[in-house]
Order: sequence, then structure tokens, then C-alpha cells
Amino acid sequence: AQSVSQHNHHVILSEAASLELGCNYSYGGTVNLFWYVQYPGQHLQLLLKYFSGDPLVKGIKGFEAEFIKSKFSFNLRKPSVQWSDTAEYFCAEGNYGQNFVFGPGTRLSVLP
Amino acid sequence: DAGITQSPRHKVTETGTPVTLRCHQTENHRYMYWYRQDPGHGLRLIHYSYGVKDTDKGEVSDGYSVSRSKTEDFLLTLESATSSQTSVYFCAISDPHEQFFGPGTRLTVL
Repeated sequence: AQSVSQHNHHVILSEAASLELGCNYSYGGTVNLFWYVQYPGQHLQLLLKYFSGDPLVKGIKGFEAEFIKSKFSFNLRKPSVQWSDTAEYFCAEGNYGQNFVFGPGTRLSVLP
Repeated sequence: DAGITQSPRHKVTETGTPVTLRCHQTENHRYMYWYRQDPGHGLRLIHYSYGVKDTDKGEVSDGYSVSRSKTEDFLLTLESATSSQTSVYFCAISDPHEQFFGPGTRLTVL
């Protein structure tokens, strides 16, 4: 069965620190990968996605992710976090018309 | 935001009572999903639908049923609610590029 793991349960950073959140997926075939963000009290919103092509994907709000097929990884990065980035982040993989599988989430707290 | 609404947004009910949650979309998408979100588990798929009257089970379908009589509506029913079904429930729709999520329903079963 497909699975997605996220290395960190809770990450605490100060503003301006760099961020990297780990994500590993298990599916060995063609895979579409996503990072979603959930701000407190809100629904999930798409940050970025990878379908094919350039393995370095840029998303909204200065986030980017790198797809490394050999490591089954799709880590999320941001060079300088802001207080407003405080949220929960979910990695997911899935294909249109099939199940999407989500990781357990990483809670990010950014201290002002 | 994608045109997805969920009702009710909050509900408190008692163990053993039936509960129905509604998801409504205005996007005419074929695929619709119900997830539950619990701390430490992320989102787990309950049921999904790939067309009118076409549904299938997800990872955590026990105790839940669904129906889709129209493209725009996807109903999730708890036939006899239990405290373990206290959760936040999200509906989602899917196009070829991503899933779009509704605002969620917070359900508390006492």
C-alpha cells in the first residue's frame, strides 16, 4: 500500500530561519506529489505540486520542494520563514482518479 | 477558492444517533472524497466517489456510508455515531491537477 511519511512532528523556528520539512513516499511508479498547508482553523490549501519535469518545484509564498527519485523524497524548503508561516504542512501523493495519500503532517511554529 | 461547501460546519451529537454530513460542489467535478482529520494521523480517506452512484471505500470506511445521487452532492452518513468518530471531516473534489478542500465539519460525539 502507498504511504507517505513526514519526518518531523513539530518544528519550532525563529523568524528568518531557514526551513526544511522532510517527506518520503513509498510508491515506486509514476507519482504526483503535493505539499498542502493548513493555517489554524482553515482548510487545506495547495502550496506546490510535482508531476514531471524539473525536480525543483516553486510554489506560492516563497516555498519550494525538490523531488529526488532515488531517495523517494520530496522535501519542502523556504529560505526565510515568517510568523505568518505558522501552520500545519502535509505532504501527499496521488494521481487523478485515484486515492490521494497524505502524510501525518508537520506542525510549524514560527516565533516572532 | 473552489466552490465547495459543507454543512453543517459544527455538530454535537450523542452516541448512537445517526448523522449526515453534506458536501456540495459547484465545479461539476467527477471525483469527490470524504476525509477525516485527527491529530497525528493527517487526513485519512473514508470514502470516495467517481461519479453519480459510483462510490468506493477508503482506508477508514467502517461505520460510515456515502451516497451520491447528483454530481454536485456527496453525503456522508454515520449510521450510529460513536465517540471514536469525533473528528474534523473534510470533503474534497479533484481535477487532473490537484484536490480542492471544503471548509470542514467539526463533529463531536458525546
